Amino acid sequence: AQSVAQPEDQVNVAEGNPLTVKCTYSVSGNPYLFWYVQYPNRGLQFLLKYITGDNLVKGSYGFEAEFNKSQTSFHLKKPSALVSDSALYFCAAPNAGNMLTFGGGTRLMVKP
Amino acid sequence: GAGVSQSPSNKVTEKGKDVELRCDPISGHTALYWYRQSLGQGLEFLIYFQGNSAPDKSGLPSDRFSAERTGGSVSTLTIQRTQQEDSAVYLCASSTQTARGETQYFGPGTRLLVL
Repeated sequence: AQSVAQPEDQVNVAEGNPLTVKCTYSVSGNPYLFWYVQYPNRGLQFLLKYITGDNLVKGSYGFEAEFNKSQTSFHLKKPSALVSDSALYFCAAPNAGNMLTFGGGTRLMVKP
Repeated sequence: GAGVSQSPSNKVTEKGKDVELRCDPISGHTALYWYRQSLGQGLEFLIYFQGNSAPDKSGLPSDRFSAERTGGSVSTLTIQRTQQEDSAVYLCASSTQTARGETQYFGPGTRLLVL
């Protein structure tokens, strides 16, 4: 079974500073990993995914994530945070049939 | 193009009543998923459909929950005899297929409140 964990319920960062939202995983076989973002009263929006290949994955809105096999991590990063990045972020991994198992979510607060 | 749509966006019902939630997936997507997002349980998988195959119902929390997908497109999630613990946001997603790693695209959700 696949599982992911997001160790931080909330991350606070000042606008313009780099941000990191953490995710660790426990999967059998090849790890496939996703990041989604949820704005208030909205559904989940796909940001990026790791399938195979380069460990640094680039996604939407300037976000990227680094896959680290030795640390079983897939942290989401952005070099310079915007206030509009404030949202709820979910890490996820697919099981057979591609149904997603989600982490508990991390609320990102970017302050001006 | 059009994304996944869900209706209604909000639903308030009384305990014991039945509710139907609708999902219209992205055109051409053969895989359709239902998830539930609640404060206590986070995001959890409920059921998925792939083409004309029998659905995977392994995530449904009780036999009060059922879903169907007509014509390989629109899906309806039905909750019978609603309970207060059913209050949650119900999210629908679709993808081109169910192979691991296929990106799922989510609708805006239906917020259900059971009084």
